[in-house]
Amino acid sequence: EAAVTQSPRNKVAVTGGKVTLSCNQTNNHNNMYWYRQDTGHGLRLIHYSYGAGSTEKGDIPDGYKASRPSQENFSLILELATPSQTSVYFCASGDWGERAETLYFGSGTRLTVL
Amino acid sequence: GDSVTQTEGLVTLTEGLPVMLNCTYQTAYSTFLFWYVQHLNEAPKLLLKSSTDNKRTEHQGFHATLHKSSSSFHLQKSSAQLSDSALYYCALTSSGQKLVFGQGTILKVYL
Repeated sequence: EAAVTQSPRNKVAVTGGKVTLSCNQTNNHNNMYWYRQDTGHGLRLIHYSYGAGSTEKGDIPDGYKASRPSQENFSLILELATPSQTSVYFCASGDWGERAETLYFGSGTRLTVL
Repeated sequence: GDSVTQTEGLVTLTEGLPVMLNCTYQTAYSTFLFWYVQHLNEAPKLLLKSSTDNKRTEHQGFHATLHKSSSSFHLQKSSAQLSDSALYYCALTSSGQKLVFGQGTILKVYL
């Protein structure tokens, strides 16, 4: 089974502070994704990556940066955290097969910005 | 752009009754439709997927049929179990584009 690990599981940050969420995958998948999950909005794509050194903007990238230093690691960075960024964040890696990509998600990071 | 609509935010059922979670979509291209399930405090994971019109797809007791004529991909199960309580997402990808998720439906099954 594909493995995606996120850290930390829970994070409390102050407004204006810098937050880094980390994600590691051992699946050797090229694609990786960051989503946030909010009630009534489902899963919304923030940033994604096609491989080491690549980052692309998703549907809601404002206020977030991403970094993909290696095939295994993909970070989400909030340079100046705001209370509106309080959410649950999920990382995923993608595996192409049968003409479609299946996503394998981590267990999530619950971020609270005070 | 592509979109997915799940009309029910919450579905509550008594154990043993049939399950039907609605999913409709809009896209101008050929599509793959997915159902992902997320149990409490767990990661979302793929439940089933399909791109074939009018073909029933089954997994773990659940089934769905893609109907392109009505742009629907409803999730069904003949008899709900307590362990089916979870958050269910319908999603689509078209022409190699990124996955688009619906708003999600919480299913709660009671004794």
